Amino acid sequence: GQQLNQSPQSMFIQEGEDVSMNCTSSSIFNTWLWYKQDPGEGPVLLIALYKAGELTSNGRLTAQFGITRKDSFLNISASIPSDVGIYFCAGQTTGNQFYFGTGTSLTVIP
Amino acid sequence: GAVVSQHPSWVICKSGTSVKIECRSLDFQATTMFWYRQFPKQSLMLMATSNEGSKATYEQGVEKDKFLINHASLTLSTLTVTSAHPEDSSFYICSARQGGGQPQHFGDGTRLSIL
Repeated sequence: GQQLNQSPQSMFIQEGEDVSMNCTSSSIFNTWLWYKQDPGEGPVLLIALYKAGELTSNGRLTAQFGITRKDSFLNISASIPSDVGIYFCAGQTTGNQFYFGTGTSLTVIP
Repeated sequence: GAVVSQHPSWVICKSGTSVKIECRSLDFQATTMFWYRQFPKQSLMLMATSNEGSKATYEQGVEKDKFLINHASLTLSTLTVTSAHPEDSSFYICSARQGGGQPQHFGDGTRLSIL
């Protein structure tokens, strides 16, 4: 099935730095979701976005639903070691079709 | 809230065995449940979508006779890998959604190893 283009593919950052990743698609979505997956576990929902232009925060995480409805970004401020993992974006269409991004692997160096 | 439990976490079995994986929504009713397969360092690949009380819809290339899905209640879906072979070894993850437009919530996955 379709996958969303997520970038960067991987990131290596120092503890305390801010992180930014984004997700783009050629299709319009009604909902954008961001998940984090730790090794050997299922993805955990971080932020859900339902409206174009919406900016939502969850602690140190902030995500935005792009105005064009074809993109979204996730920012993590002041990264800490437990932020390590793979971050996936996901988009959902009006027909409830759900597509995953290719993932961004984050490594935080203490 | 929105807890999804998947069982077992890890299965190791001989080739030819059939393996059943359970997915339960613990604190909500899931009208739709999804089954994914994930290979190392890759994204999740949707295998099938199931709605309570009806037959599952399989993605292209997924053998429905190989991967049997039952969604008998609003809180339980099962995936049975029939006559499993080493190439079926993978990480299988389920998710559940309360209603259309709602996010999917994922189980912790089942690591299947076929010897």
